[in-house]
Amino acid sequence: QSALTQPASVSGSPGQSITISCTGTSSDVGNYNLVSWYQQHPGKAPKLMIYEVSKRPSGVSNRFSGSKSGNTASLTISGLQAEDEADYYCCSYGGSSTFVVFGGGTKLTVL
Amino acid sequence: EVQLVESGGGLVQPGGSLRLSCAASGFTFSNYWMNWVRQAPGKGLEWVANIKQDGSEKYYVDSVKGRFTISRDNAKNSLYLQMNSLRAEDTAVYYCARARWSIDPFDIWGQGTMVTVSS
Repeated sequence: QSALTQPASVSGSPGQSITISCTGTSSDVGNYNLVSWYQQHPGKAPKLMIYEVSKRPSGVSNRFSGSKSGNTASLTISGLQAEDEADYYCCSYGGSSTFVVFGGGTKLTVL
Repeated sequence: EVQLVESGGGLVQPGGSLRLSCAASGFTFSNYWMNWVRQAPGKGLEWVANIKQDGSEKYYVDSVKGRFTISRDNAKNSLYLQMNSLRAEDTAVYYCARARWSIDPFDIWGQGTMVTVSS
């Protein structure tokens, strides 16, 4: 079960927008609209931010949005705020044999 | 309040065993698939195992198959992970997380419990 590929780090200034990519294969990201994104602050548990590619759970800011094209999913954060600085992980269903696969994580720095 | 609380972590020697527990509250535990997800120090998240609402289906990541066993007790609102033949590479924070169905995202996570495998 190979991890999905994310950039190790991204950065942006307050108010700007950033996009984090998540590349998988035709067996996971490309085959299912079951990509989710998690935010994790240091020492804390992950928090669900996006599910089913582009849906937001109740309580998550609409500054967070998701999309997918082929084998690559993306998380966009608009109007960057200091509290957005965290690690972000993508996750995809990988079928009945692989089940769940995570990306390696991306550290977002708000400059 | 919907809550998951893990316990049972600690220091164990290579080849040893440990049993993790996850106590659920604030929701109908028996309605959810439950998962274990781990995170090695300074590393990313790795899904470990999951179990169906009634315990009839269980799935594992390849690296723990034959060594770890996931189980649940719906009467006690509790999830367990029995870990045997532990290796240094099993060192991680172990989180329990719930999902409505097996393909659903993990919408509630516990705070995690640390497992260290070292001599």
